[in-house]
Amino acid sequence: GEDVEQSLFLSVREGDSSVINCTYTDSSSTYLYWYKQEPGAGLQLLTYIFSNMDMKQDQRLTVLLNKKDKHLSLRIADTQTGDSAIYFCAERNTGFQKLVFGTGTRLLVSP
Amino acid sequence: EAQVTQNPRYLITVTGKKLTVTCSQNMNHEYMSWYRQDPGLGLRQIYYSMNVEVTDKGDVPEGYKVSRKEKRNFPLILESPSPNQTSLYFCASSLTGTNEQFFGPGTRLTVL
Repeated sequence: GEDVEQSLFLSVREGDSSVINCTYTDSSSTYLYWYKQEPGAGLQLLTYIFSNMDMKQDQRLTVLLNKKDKHLSLRIADTQTGDSAIYFCAERNTGFQKLVFGTGTRLLVSP
Repeated sequence: EAQVTQNPRYLITVTGKKLTVTCSQNMNHEYMSWYRQDPGLGLRQIYYSMNVEVTDKGDVPEGYKVSRKEKRNFPLILESPSPNQTSLYFCASSLTGTNEQFFGPGTRLTVL
C-alpha cells in the first residue's frame, strides 16, 4: 500500500536554507504536494510537482523529485521565523481521489 | 471570501454522547473530505464525497458517519464517541477530486 515518511523535526537558524525530506513507496504516484500547517490553522498548499518533473522552483521554494529513489524534498531559501510550521508532503495517483499524507515535519526557525 | 468553515472549533464530550461536526464550503466544490490528524500519524482520510448523495469510506471510517444532502455541507457524525476518537479533525474541499484541496481550520475533539 501507500506509505509516505518524513523526519519529525528540523531546526534551523534564520537566514539559513531548510531542506525537508520525504520518501514515498507508491511508484505510480503522479502528483506530489507540500502543505504547510501553522499553529491552530488548517493546511495550506505550498506547491506541488507532477511526477514527470524533476524540479520546480517558486520564489524561495524549490521542490526536487528523485523518482528512482522515490524521494521528494522541499528547500526553503533564506528561512524566516514566519516559516516555522509543520510541513506535510502528500502523494496522489491519477484517478484516485484521496491524498496520502506523511507524518509531517515540524520546522523551528530560531533568530 | 472563499473558505471552508468547521464548527465547533473545540469540543469536549463524554463517551457515548452523539455529536456532529459541521463543515461548509462556499466555493461550489463537488468534492469534500474529512481527515483526522494524530501525532506521528499525519492526516488520515475518514470519508469523502464526490458529489451530493455520493459518499465513500476512506482509510479510517470506523465509528463515523457522514451525509451529503447539499453541495455545500458535509457533516461528520459520531454516533457513540469513544476516547480513541480524540483527535484533530479537518474538513477539506476541492472543485473535483483531482484539484487542490482547501482545508478548514480544524476541530479539536476530546472524548472523555
